[in-house]
Amino acid sequence: KNQVEQSPQSLIILEGKNCTLQCNYTVSPFSNLRWYKQDTGRGPVSLTIMTFSENTKSNGRYTATLDADTKQSSLHITASQLSDSASYICVVSAYFNKFYFGSGTKLNVKP
Amino acid sequence: EPEVTQTPSHQVTQMGQEVILRCVPISNHLYFYWYRQILGQKVEFLVSFYNNEISEKSEIFDDQFSVERPDGSNFTLKIRSTKLEDSAMYFCASNPLGGGNQPQHFGDGTRLSIL
Repeated sequence: KNQVEQSPQSLIILEGKNCTLQCNYTVSPFSNLRWYKQDTGRGPVSLTIMTFSENTKSNGRYTATLDADTKQSSLHITASQLSDSASYICVVSAYFNKFYFGSGTKLNVKP
Repeated sequence: EPEVTQTPSHQVTQMGQEVILRCVPISNHLYFYWYRQILGQKVEFLVSFYNNEISEKSEIFDDQFSVERPDGSNFTLKIRSTKLEDSAMYFCASNPLGGGNQPQHFGDGTRLSIL
């Protein structure tokens, strides 16, 4: 069964600290893996997209990693800011144009 | 920066009625998608659309649902004979040529409430 599991469900960190969010998937056939940020009441916003051959991709303070062998990905946020408070969603795409979403990690950055 | 726009932001409909959710994708985009998110649950893929036809659909997207690009700018999701469990946030998304490996741009959703 095609599934995407994320951990932790929620996370509270202090402003300026780093954090790492996890994603495990069982989607097949694999096309790519995406990380999105979703603010409350808004649509998701794309952070990174990685294909099978990519191990790491950065977008500012966000760095995603992908291990296609173990079917695991992580999203590392450096020097967190209050505006990073949001849900972070891992999405795995199967060929062609079919998408499986994780339940998200709700991040709360406190001053 | 161009945006995907969705209307209305909130739709209230009586159970059994038909509803049409509207989306205006970014103008040079060629791939279009509908997703839904039931309150407190994960986002679920419904359908992808390219070249005026459905390219993929999920198990959720049964005969109750249909999509259309009626005029080259709008992309609509029609839900017939609505049920209470159709209450959810519906998101539209689009991406340019290149399809599966391009970032999708999402609208801010239409909240559908079935009474």
